[in-house]
Amino acid sequence: SYVLTQPPSVSVAPGKTARISCGANNIGSISVHWYQQRPGQAPVLVIYYNDDRPSGIPERFSGSNSGNTATLTISRVEAGDEADYYCQVWDSSSDHYVFGTGTKVTVL
Amino acid sequence: QVHLVESGGGVVQPGRSLRLSCAASGFTFSNYGMHWLRQSPGRGLEWVARIWYDGSNTYYADFGKGRFTISRDNSKNTLYLQMNSLRAEDTAVYYCARDLREVATVTPFDYWGQGTLVTVSS
Repeated sequence: SYVLTQPPSVSVAPGKTARISCGANNIGSISVHWYQQRPGQAPVLVIYYNDDRPSGIPERFSGSNSGNTATLTISRVEAGDEADYYCQVWDSSSDHYVFGTGTKVTVL
Repeated sequence: QVHLVESGGGVVQPGRSLRLSCAASGFTFSNYGMHWLRQSPGRGLEWVARIWYDGSNTYYADFGKGRFTISRDNSKNTLYLQMNSLRAEDTAVYYCARDLREVATVTPFDYWGQGTLVTVSS
């Protein structure tokens, strides 16, 4: 089954670009989804099927997926983007949903 | 507006049972697959169980098989999670969540409730 590896933390200055990786063997062959979780709140879907954005999510959020790494990119980072971010896939071999270890984004 | 509200959490002794509920509103509940997920500091986010829009199929994470039962009452717009033989490691915030698409096979989770805390402790 999939084990999704994310960096524990990413720090970025306001206005700069944050990139959060999600690694697994051949992850590029399946769909990856991304969630944002602010402190004390439930997760919110920010990217689905690798690069689609739900309505209401700013265009600053984008996703890509190729090879062994999926990436969530946050452009022009704002203070409100400070949160934990999780990648998620569906493992067809086990019929289970799998989450990454999570990345804490800190806005300097 | 989609709204999911969990209830039923609390403190329970190891080996005992608990039933969680999730009241749904703002959408046609009977058209969507639903899920339970949980989150704890030590184990992160975990998917717990899934039920089809019509209740005809259910799926469980390995840790829940034989102990947890997901069900739904479409006439009451309510999702349930019956948890038996609870263990300390089941301590977590439990969320209900909705499939992104109607009558779908596998999709991400587009709406989540605020969660209910389950603490398993003697």
